[in-house]
Parts: sequence; structure tokens; C-alpha cells
Amino acid sequence: GAGVSQSPSNKVTEKGKDVELRCDPISGHTALYWYRQRLGQGLEFLIYFQGNSAPDKSGLPSDRFSAERTGESVSTLTIQRTQQEDSAVYLCASSLSRFSGNTIYFGEGSWLTVV
Amino acid sequence: DAKTTQPNSMESNEEEPVHLPCNHSTISGTDYIHWYRQLPSQGPEYVIHGLTSNVNNRMASLAIAEDRKSSTLILHRATLRDAAVYYCILSNAGNMLTFGGGTRLMVKP
Repeated sequence: GAGVSQSPSNKVTEKGKDVELRCDPISGHTALYWYRQRLGQGLEFLIYFQGNSAPDKSGLPSDRFSAERTGESVSTLTIQRTQQEDSAVYLCASSLSRFSGNTIYFGEGSWLTVV
Repeated sequence: DAKTTQPNSMESNEEEPVHLPCNHSTISGTDYIHWYRQLPSQGPEYVIHGLTSNVNNRMASLAIAEDRKSSTLILHRATLRDAAVYYCILSNAGNMLTFGGGTRLMVKP
């Protein structure tokens, strides 16, 4: 299928270690989003990329969180010095463009557990 | 950001229609109304969206009030697989979706 692909599906890491989460958007989608969802809670917006424009990082919770995207392709979300409160599922999504009528497609998420 | 208000939970019987309400009294003229649902342990799934006119697709129908201050997602015949959290969301500039608490739909056999 040609959906949004995320890896790893599951990651268990020790407190203090760095983790990288990868997202492959749907081909041709210029807009890419990262969200976080803690267990039993709603989705929190983290960061948004649109083409070659500067990303909207307004949702990143601390400077331990960063994300990159090369052009309109793969994105990587990096969490440095992980803490237990970082345990959550990290969801990536993409859409054709930033037009508000476009459908946003979500991946299955990367489940992060910090022990 | 325009916000939406939904009931925390609803129950339905299998094979019966379900009407999920959403209030968005501060909607702006360019906001689209999106509905997504999230099944347990899965990412959100697109259901339907619209701007002003009612919309139908294979999953559901979306009825939008004339003043656009409210909308209703209609599942014509609920099945057990429709049990999920349903999110009503307004898309703002940049198409960033702000998720609220959603409505947890329970379907009884």
C-alpha cells in the first residue's frame, strides 16, 4: 500500500538515551505532521512541515525534541535524553498540501516506552 | 483557534443509525469540518469532511447546519467495527488539525 509508513513500530529505550523515529509520507504529499498521544489521551500537535517553508515547531514540548525533513520526503523525529514522560505513541501524518480541504492521512504510529 | 464541542460518549445498537453531534460556534468562513475516528491501538482514520453542503461517502454522511455552527456525523447502520473515538475537527490555515477529546462510540450487539 501507499500509506504513511512509520518505523520502528515499537521502541523500548532506557531513560537518558536518544531515539529517532522515522516517517515516510505518501508520495507527492508536501505537508507532513507529527503528533504525540499519551495513553488514554488525545493527540498533541508537535511539528508541521510544508514543502521548503520553515517548519512550524510551536508544539514541540522541550528542546530535547527536534525534527527534520529533507524536501518532500522522509522525516525524522529525534528525542534526546529521553524521560519517562516521553512514553507515548508518536503519530506521523501527511497531506497533499496545506489547503484546509485536503485529507490528512495518518500512519500507525511508533510506540515509545521509556524505562 | 476555532474549537469544537462533542459529547464524551454515546451508545448505539448494532444495525441502527448513529448521529454524532458536534458544535463549532466560532467556526470561520474558511474552516473545513473534518471527522476522523480512532480505533483502539491504531492511528486516526479519515471519515469525511465538508465545508458548507452535506456530504456523503461510503463510510458516512455529514450534515452541516445552515449557519455552520454545528454538524452531525451520521453512520447509517452501526456495526461493532464502528466502535471508536470520533473526532470532529476544524482545519485552520496550514491544515493543522487540533484534536479535542472526541466522542467514544460504543456499539452494543
